[in-house]
Amino acid sequence: EAQVTQNPRYLITVTGKKLTVTCSQNMNHEYMSWYRQDPGLGLRQIYYSMNVEVTDKGDVPEGYKVSRKEKRNFPLILESPSPNQTSLYFCGTGVVGYGYTFGSGTRLTVV
Amino acid sequence: QKEVEQNSGPLSVPEGAIASLNCTYSDRVSQSFFWYRQYSGKSPELIMSIYSNGDKEDGRFTAQLNKASQYVSLLIRDSQPSDSATYLCAADFGNEKLTFGTGTRLTIIP
Repeated sequence: EAQVTQNPRYLITVTGKKLTVTCSQNMNHEYMSWYRQDPGLGLRQIYYSMNVEVTDKGDVPEGYKVSRKEKRNFPLILESPSPNQTSLYFCGTGVVGYGYTFGSGTRLTVV
Repeated sequence: QKEVEQNSGPLSVPEGAIASLNCTYSDRVSQSFFWYRQYSGKSPELIMSIYSNGDKEDGRFTAQLNKASQYVSLLIRDSQPSDSATYLCAADFGNEKLTFGTGTRLTIIP
């Protein structure tokens, strides 16, 4: 079954404690991306990757890092989380121009 | 700034009626448009894509695109309670991402 797997689904953490949200896809797509979803603001892109070792900033990259060492994995790293990073995060993959498939989401709360 | 605009609703439609969801976008160059359905607490699910002017039908769903007016719509015929969700319009502006509207919350009233 084609899927995008994110972990964890829920995470509560404290300000400044580094965390990683993992994303893995079995759809063999080159393109992967991270979005955050906030009430009234919709889905906004954080980072994207066109291929292994190729990543670039989206609209709201501040406070986030990513890496793409393998085709199937695209982890999102928060080196020093702050309360304004409390959000619902989605990892997506697909063929550019043809829409994306999203993972189940990670609800992050930073206190 | 390339944008996608949606009426946030909420939109309430009686069961069995046609639900009409609308979206406008800011860039005439856009080629690809998408409708996603998102149930509360769940991830967005791609339900329709449209690339050329006119209508595209898939079961009870019809997407309509008018590039001259920069307008995309989604019609849901014979609305069911299970259609109650937030519907997200998205456009690919050729900048390596999807740009989403803020979504329209649809409620189907039994």
